[in-house]
Amino acid sequence: AQKITQTQPGMFVQEKEAVTLDCTYDTSDPSYGLFWYKQPSSGEMIFLIYQGSYDQQNATEGRYSLNFQKARKSANLVISASQLGDSAMYFCAMRVWDSSYKLIFGSGTRLLVRP
Amino acid sequence: DADVTQTPRNRITKTGKRIMLECSQTKGHDRMYWYRQDPGLGLRLIYYSFDVKDINKGEISDGYSVSRQAQAKFSLSLESAIPNQTALYFCATSDGDRTAYEQYFGPGTRLTVT
Repeated sequence: AQKITQTQPGMFVQEKEAVTLDCTYDTSDPSYGLFWYKQPSSGEMIFLIYQGSYDQQNATEGRYSLNFQKARKSANLVISASQLGDSAMYFCAMRVWDSSYKLIFGSGTRLLVRP
Repeated sequence: DADVTQTPRNRITKTGKRIMLECSQTKGHDRMYWYRQDPGLGLRLIYYSFDVKDINKGEISDGYSVSRQAQAKFSLSLESAIPNQTALYFCATSDGDRTAYEQYFGPGTRLTVT
């Protein structure tokens, strides 16, 4: 069965420091995609970054990078130089490569950035 | 204007009432999805649709029905609402192109069943 596990319900980080949010996944399919979404207190889902299972390099988008370790089935999100506006829920998700293209989500990590 | 819109944004209803949540998109995508989010949980798939004639159940479809009125419109109905259907509901769309990976989410509908 396909599953996403986020083991950190909550995290604190000091402003301007880097933080790593953990995500492990389970799938037997060789083809899959991994996503991170941010959900601020207003509730919307904001796409941050994507990593395909065959991508050779770790994905980066501005201050976000995805530390993809395929053998360990982990896809951790690294946020560099944290800002107060980074305080939010963060969800890791996996896209299955059946015809549905549906996303399977983890339970999320709440990040609080301290000034 | 937003690419994926949901109406209403907030709704309070009573147990046993029928309620419809609506989703519209201007992205021209074939695939549309309804997800539910409960506190402390990630999003879970309720239904998804490939086109107006192709509707599929997700992992938690019991108590819900959907209608794909057009490529751009996908509605979720609760035939007889119950309190444990209180949740945040998201509509999403994606391109049918296998190389296009992103799902685009609407702003969410916060539903409370009393």
